[in-house]
Amino acid sequence: GESVGLHLPTLSVQEGDNSIINCAYSNSASDYFIWYKQESGKGPQFIIDIRSNMDKRQGQRVTVLLNKTVKHLSLQIAATQPGDSAVYFCAENMGGGSNYKLTFGKGTLLTVNP
Amino acid sequence: KAGVTQTPRYLIKTRGQQVTLSCSPISGHRSVSWYQQTPGQGLQFLFEYFSETQRNKGNFPGRFSGRQFSNSRSEMNVSTLELGDSALYLCASSFSGPSTDTQYFGPGTRLTVL
Repeated sequence: GESVGLHLPTLSVQEGDNSIINCAYSNSASDYFIWYKQESGKGPQFIIDIRSNMDKRQGQRVTVLLNKTVKHLSLQIAATQPGDSAVYFCAENMGGGSNYKLTFGKGTLLTVNP
Repeated sequence: KAGVTQTPRYLIKTRGQQVTLSCSPISGHRSVSWYQQTPGQGLQFLFEYFSETQRNKGNFPGRFSGRQFSNSRSEMNVSTLELGDSALYLCASSFSGPSTDTQYFGPGTRLTVL
């Protein structure tokens, strides 16, 4: 089966709290990882990505951590806002260069309570 | 800059029919990828086109096909529709490829097969 999976299917947080969404992958050859956000009725929206030669990458209010030792990926959202409520997907690319084999996790539903 | 557009947004077909979906990428983007999203299987990669050539392909039967035109617009076709083909079909574009550049998704076409 596919290698990407999520530890928690749902996550409920209070507005202003930090959120952490986790993702496990099984292919040590994966070299590129991406987090997407999908709101109801819309296509996935790119949040942040990280390549396998990095352990951490920060964006605006978001941080992605990559632990290659245990094949774990996490997305941290700081000061979570109601607008962050959505399904979050992790994805891994198992191809190299122009070879592309992007596999998505099932998704985690994040609900932010005001 | 206009985003990725997909037409039609909604489609209802019956088993055995065929369907063609259209995707217009962001101006300047040469790579177009197609995905199928269902509640059970999540997001699954169908194929990627670059410069009018299919460059990568997922694990879908030959009933699923696509093409890309010289202006980078892409179409996908599903022949002999089955009930299980009911899904949200998403198109995404990127400048040179989803494993090297950020890809942007369209809103999707919701296909219902009766």
